[in-house]
Amino acid sequence: KQEVTQIPAALSVPEGENLVLNCSFTDSAIYNLQWFRQDPGKGLTSLLLIQSSQREQTSGRLNASLDKSSGRSTLYIAASQPGDSATYLCAVKGGTYKYIFGTGTRLKVLA
Amino acid sequence: EPEVTQTPSHQVTQMGQEVILRCVPISNHLYFYWYRQILGQKVEFLVSFYNNEISEKSEIFDDQFSVERPDGSNFTLKIRSTKLEDSAMYFCASLSQSVPGELFFGEGSRLTVL
Repeated sequence: KQEVTQIPAALSVPEGENLVLNCSFTDSAIYNLQWFRQDPGKGLTSLLLIQSSQREQTSGRLNASLDKSSGRSTLYIAASQPGDSATYLCAVKGGTYKYIFGTGTRLKVLA
Repeated sequence: EPEVTQTPSHQVTQMGQEVILRCVPISNHLYFYWYRQILGQKVEFLVSFYNNEISEKSEIFDDQFSVERPDGSNFTLKIRSTKLEDSAMYFCASLSQSVPGELFFGEGSRLTVL
């Protein structure tokens, strides 16, 4: 059974800092890994999707990497801003069509 | 830009009552999902739906839950007899048919059972 874990659970950083969020999964037989952002009381906004054949994806200040063999993905946020404050979730898609979600990292960027 | 829409945004109900949550997925998507998130907890898979039938369901999705696509656009989640522990945010999602299979979520329906 796929288990997805995110470390750290919470993170507080000063504005401008570069930071790394971690996601690990127990079953390396995945098809996709997707990173989402969730603001309090809101839905999930897709940030980046990495297919199993890819090693990284970039969008603006965000870069996500994937190491399938070790069961890990990282989300790198460059030059963090207060508007980046949110919960970041990773989710993996295996042989079926469902995505399994991680526990999330709650990020606070201080002005 | 196409989006997944959900109604209602918030529903308060008494224990034992039936609730129907509605979703309009993105029009050319073929796989649809319901997920739930209890306050402070992780997003949990409930059910996936394809070609007018359930393709997969979790152990949470017991006999009190049902889904249907009554008219080719709406996708509904019915909870037959709500319990206190059904209080949660319920998210509808649909899966892009393009090669990567990106998942798109609605804003959620908050269900409060009293």
